[in-house]
Amino acid sequence: QKEVEQNSGPLSVPEGAIASLNCTYSDRVSQSFFWYRQYSGKSPELIMSIYSNGDKEDGRFTAQLNKASQYVSLLIRDSQPSDSATYLCAADSSYKLIFGSGTRLLVRP
Amino acid sequence: DAGITQSPRYKITETGRQVTLMCHQTWSHSYMFWYRQDLGHGLRLIYYSAAADITDKGEVPDGYVVSRSKTENFPLTLESATRSQTSVYFCASSESEGRLAGVEQYFGPGTRLTVT
Repeated sequence: QKEVEQNSGPLSVPEGAIASLNCTYSDRVSQSFFWYRQYSGKSPELIMSIYSNGDKEDGRFTAQLNKASQYVSLLIRDSQPSDSATYLCAADSSYKLIFGSGTRLLVRP
Repeated sequence: DAGITQSPRYKITETGRQVTLMCHQTWSHSYMFWYRQDLGHGLRLIYYSAAADITDKGEVPDGYVVSRSKTENFPLTLESATRSQTSVYFCASSESEGRLAGVEQYFGPGTRLTVT
């Protein structure tokens, strides 16, 4: 069964630090990868997508993809308490997404 | 721009009753999806649709029925609700063309369903 694995956390970082969230996937055919942010009681919100090996930066967020290692990561620079949420990693599989269970991030003021 | 909406937002029903959750999107996206989210299981795909009148099963389809007569609507019906179907249900939609077809998904606000 195709899977996306994430550490459930919580990952606790101080305000201003870099938060590093990691994800591995099992389907070698996957080409597109996504990070969603989900606040408690809310719906998932798409924050980053990445398709090519390497880094993709958008503001304080950097997504990293290593297809050889089947590894995706999300770095959040200058973490803010408002970044405290659950981050879901997803990989495409035949016009659908496979989601990880999410990593809970806590940013301490 | 309303985007994607779900109704009702909260629902309490009894075991054995039929319940229909509604999903409506204004983007003209071809792809639509239904997920359930439970603690410890993350998001699990129930059903999806690539276009009007085309639907297919996801990971956990048992006990659910879908239809898609119009592109913008994708209702999910629990034919005879069970307590195990207590969950938060999310609808999502995705563009229909290019490399992002079906995979860059945007979620509705969710429906919290409790079956007593």
